[in-house]
Amino acid sequence: AQSVTQLDSHVSVSEGTPVLLRCNYSSSYSPSLFWYVQHPNKGLQLLLKYTSAATLVKGINGFEAEFKKSETSFHLTKPSAHMSDAAEYFCVVSDQGSSNTGKLIFGQGTTLQVKP
Amino acid sequence: SQTIHQWPATLVQPVGSPLSLECTVEGTSNPNLYWYRQAAGRGLQLLFYSVGIGQISSEVPQNLSASRPQDRQFILSSKKLLLSDSGFYLCAWNPGRGLYGYTFGSGTRLTVV
Repeated sequence: AQSVTQLDSHVSVSEGTPVLLRCNYSSSYSPSLFWYVQHPNKGLQLLLKYTSAATLVKGINGFEAEFKKSETSFHLTKPSAHMSDAAEYFCVVSDQGSSNTGKLIFGQGTTLQVKP
Repeated sequence: SQTIHQWPATLVQPVGSPLSLECTVEGTSNPNLYWYRQAAGRGLQLLFYSVGIGQISSEVPQNLSASRPQDRQFILSSKKLLLSDSGFYLCAWNPGRGLYGYTFGSGTRLTVV
């Protein structure tokens, strides 16, 4: 069965410093992986996705993630944090075992705090 | 382009009252549709999903029900709300395969008092 673990529930960085949000996954299939961002009281927005093409995936707002099969990881990074990056981030894996239901499995989320 | 609409944005309801949240998708046909709930400070819990008209799958037993009366319409309902039904409800759709990910609606903040 597929699962995803976000290793940090809360990450705090200073504005202008790098961001690293960690995610490990478990999947019996070749996974599709995603990162979503949620600002307070808003819906979730797709940041980026990996679907078995290039292992380094670039997303919106300067974020990128690298798929590492040997480490079963899909960590999210950004070279320089901006105040507007403060939000909740979710790592997600597709439930490939569910045929055409398209179900996604969400991690518990990481709250990113950006200090001035 | 495809768009997803979810309403209302906020709702305050007394315990024991009924509930109806609506979600519609435009610009696509036969989408997979999903209802998620997000309790305060917690992750997302899948409540229901639908792969076609009249086809509803429930992920967890609860006080809620869902219906899909039209191809691009997904409704979340309750006959009698409980305090524990409070939370942030999100509707989402995808073309039918997991590799596409979801597009989410803007959410409904439900407070049961």
